[in-house]
Amino acid sequence: SQQGEEDPQALSIQEGENATMNCSYKTSINNLQWYRQNSGRGLVHLILIRSNEREKHSGRLRVTLDTSKKSSSLLITASRAADTASYFCATTSSGGYQKVTFGIGTKLQVIP
Amino acid sequence: GAGVSQSPSNKVTEKGKDVELRCDPISGHTALYWYRQSLGQGLEFLIYFQGNSAPDKSGLPSDRFSAERTGGSVSTLTIQRTQQEDSAVYLCASSWDRGGSPLHFGNGTRLTVT
Repeated sequence: SQQGEEDPQALSIQEGENATMNCSYKTSINNLQWYRQNSGRGLVHLILIRSNEREKHSGRLRVTLDTSKKSSSLLITASRAADTASYFCATTSSGGYQKVTFGIGTKLQVIP
Repeated sequence: GAGVSQSPSNKVTEKGKDVELRCDPISGHTALYWYRQSLGQGLEFLIYFQGNSAPDKSGLPSDRFSAERTGGSVSTLTIQRTQQEDSAVYLCASSWDRGGSPLHFGNGTRLTVT
């Protein structure tokens, strides 16, 4: 089953604009991660935010987490054509073993 | 190795045949995951290994699917009597088995059942 639900499912922006993607989830989590996928193959880890954190930055990436609303957002600032990819949020469940569950993804297109 | 390796990268098989997909995780990673991704879709969780044991097999779609891991390293996912709906990209990932460890993915095996 899909734990995370990303929105929008597709996003098209001009180079230089900011891109914001949202993720909602249903159960308690240990952490939330964002991944990027090019060409339908392996995913690459971008950033991780723990359940006790509210905001995290990495280069042009900014992630927020609101555990009360069970939601997260990924902001990519000053987008580039090379940012074109699918972006997935993944939640690690709390308690027991750490099952990592992915959402359905947001397909981002950055137009040069 | 430097990263997670999956083989074969592509596999075309006839309906009804059995297939074996292999995953070589990063050395030392104790956690190993298998996911399935259909065209344009998200990742469907299949199974998780902690060392050689699989505490969660809940994602395996049917009893035609099985997986094993030996020596805490290589894992094989076996699909028996393949069906056309099994066509997808099968992704393997590994990580340190502790909180907050990111997953490292292989490039996947694209399975096509004709």
